[in-house]
Order: sequence, then structure tokens, then C-alpha cells
Amino acid sequence: DTAVSQTPKYLVTQMGNDKSIKCEQNLGHDTMYWYKQDSKKFLKIMFSYNNKELIINETVPNRFSPKSPDKAHLNLHINSLELGDSAVYFCASSQFTVETQYFGPGTRLLVL
Amino acid sequence: DQQVKQNSPSLSVQEGRISILNCDYTNSMFDYFLWYKKYPAEGPTFLISISSIKDKNEDGRFTVFLNKSAKHLSLHIVPSQPGDSAVYFCAASAIGTYKYIFGTGTRLKVLA
Repeated sequence: DTAVSQTPKYLVTQMGNDKSIKCEQNLGHDTMYWYKQDSKKFLKIMFSYNNKELIINETVPNRFSPKSPDKAHLNLHINSLELGDSAVYFCASSQFTVETQYFGPGTRLLVL
Repeated sequence: DQQVKQNSPSLSVQEGRISILNCDYTNSMFDYFLWYKKYPAEGPTFLISISSIKDKNEDGRFTVFLNKSAKHLSLHIVPSQPGDSAVYFCAASAIGTYKYIFGTGTRLKVLA
């Protein structure tokens, strides 16, 4: 039974399109995160939500909008996709902030 | 400015020998450190952690050492096994920041 799941696993799309990535955790955790791993393998935090409330918003373009309908879900919507958005996006969750984080399998986004 | 650095992108070790993975950090406010292991096409999985009040934490074959004065931590795996072959990330967090900063990873290959 997958603890942190992401859909889709792969996403290939054209520049300028709008796309969403979904994340769900069944661990009962309060905090969820989105990370981006770029071509240089840097794993950088983008957003964090605690009990559906945004607590971390790094310097991410406002084309990226996270949405947390409930504690178990944190979706990432990306508008007007650009080539530089190509990366692997990981969702993660933890019981409290700054506790051990459990990662999803990643979504590989390729913008053409 | 990269606050967490893993200067060795790769490491090869013979099965049964010790693997030592290193991590340096620049922010003296970091007080909690994690090591994650990542297999291809999967998300990172938590391995071991250490708080700044300790200088060593051990869990089976895995030991993490923290040298606060040198701002250095290391992960020792002994004995190394082929199944340990993966990318290892260290991550650090400063109290009150609610986030982890990740290193760029070290690819460990354990040779049978």
C-alpha cells in the first residue's frame, strides 16, 4: 500500500500548456511538500503545507500554484509551461514540520 | 549559495568494505540532519538522522557522525552490500525554518 503517491508518473507536454500533478498520502501526516529536482540533481523545496495552510513558499514563479483540498492531498498546478520547468517533481509528507519526510516516486515532466 | 555540499559525486567500494559518504554545510544554524537513499525512478527514502546535540547515531550497518566545529557529517556503511548501491543525499534543517536543504547526492556503487 503506497504511502505517498503521485500521478502521473511521466508527463510530456508542449510549451505554454497548463498541467497538474497530484499527490496523496495515506500516512495521516499533517505536512506535505513539493520538491523539484533539476538536471543538476539539486533537490530544492518549492512549497510546504501544514494542515492545508501554506507555510513555505520558496522563490518559485507564480505560474506554479499548489492546492491542498485536505490534509492528505497536495496538488501542483503549473500554468504556461516553459522548457526550464522540465525536471522531476517529488511530493513528500511528514508528521510534523521538520520531521522525517516520506517521498513519493516522483513525476518526470518534460516540456517540449 | 549551496549551503549543503556533497563534494564527491560518486564512490565505488568493494562488497564487505566500509563506505564513507561525506557532507559539508555552511550554515551554523542547522541543527538536524538526515541521510536519504535513492534508487533510480524512485523517491528518496529515509535512512538515518542526527540531531546537533549528538555526534554519533547508529542504526545497524549505518552510522552517522557529526562534527559541528568542522560543519561536517559523514555516513558510514559497514559492511557494504551490493543492494546499498544508490544515490545518497544528506539534508539539513535549521530550527524554525520548517524545511530541509538537500545536498546534490553521492552515487555509491558497491562492487560484488
